[in-house]
Amino acid sequence: QVQLRESGPGQVKPGQTLSLTCAVSGRSITTGGYSWSWIRQSAGRGLEWLGYISHSGSTDYSPSFKSRTTISMDTSTSQFSLSLSSMTAADTAVYFCARSLTNYGKFDYWGRGILVTVSP
Amino acid sequence: DIVMTQSPLSLPVTPGEPASISCRSSQNLLHYNGYNYLDWYLQKPGQSPQLLIYLGSNRAVGVPDRFSGSGSGTDFTLKISRVEAEDVGVYFCMQGLQTPITFGQGTRLELK
Repeated sequence: QVQLRESGPGQVKPGQTLSLTCAVSGRSITTGGYSWSWIRQSAGRGLEWLGYISHSGSTDYSPSFKSRTTISMDTSTSQFSLSLSSMTAADTAVYFCARSLTNYGKFDYWGRGILVTVSP
Repeated sequence: DIVMTQSPLSLPVTPGEPASISCRSSQNLLHYNGYNYLDWYLQKPGQSPQLLIYLGSNRAVGVPDRFSGSGSGTDFTLKISRVEAEDVGVYFCMQGLQTPITFGQGTRLELK
C-alpha cells in the first residue's frame, strides 16, 4: 500500500519561499512509469496542479507557476519536495502531494494535505 | 490550458435514486491510442480526493459498480445508479491529456 504524507510549515510570510516535503512509503519513487505531483486546493481557485517530477527526475510545471516553482526528489529518503517562491495571500491553500502515471493523470494515491496560510 | 466545465455545481439527491454529473472539456480528450484522458474523483468531507474513474470509463480498484463513466471527445458523464449516504461529497473531473493538468470546478452532491 502506497502512502504519502506532506510536511512543512503551516504558515509563511508574504514574499517568503514555501518548502514542503512529501514522504512516500510502500513504493520506491524511482519505480518506472510513475510521476509525483503537487496539487493545491483553495476555495477561490479549486484544484490546481502545480507540477510533477517523474521517476527519472524530469520535471514539468504548470506555466502559471513555472517561474517560481521547483520540484525535486531525494531517492535516498524516498521523498520529493516543492519549493514555491514569492508567496502571497493568494497562495493560501491546502497543498497535496499525489502519485500519477507518467504522461497521464490517474492520481491513485494522495497525501492528506497540509494547510498553508500566508500572512504577515 | 484545457478548461473543464462541470454541471450542475450542486446536486441534491434522494438516497436510492440515480444521479448524473456532466463534464465538458474545451478540447478533445481522445488520445490517438483510443483512450479518453478523463478522470473522475470524489472528495469526501475532510478528506483528500480519491480516484473513481480513469480513462473515461474504467472504475478504479475498490470503486462500487454503481459508479460508471461514459462519454468521449469533449462530453463526459459520471453516473451513480443508486446514491448512498457514503457518496456525499464533491465530485471533480480532470483531464490528463496535456499539461497543465486541469480540473473541473466540482459538483457537490448532498442528500435530500
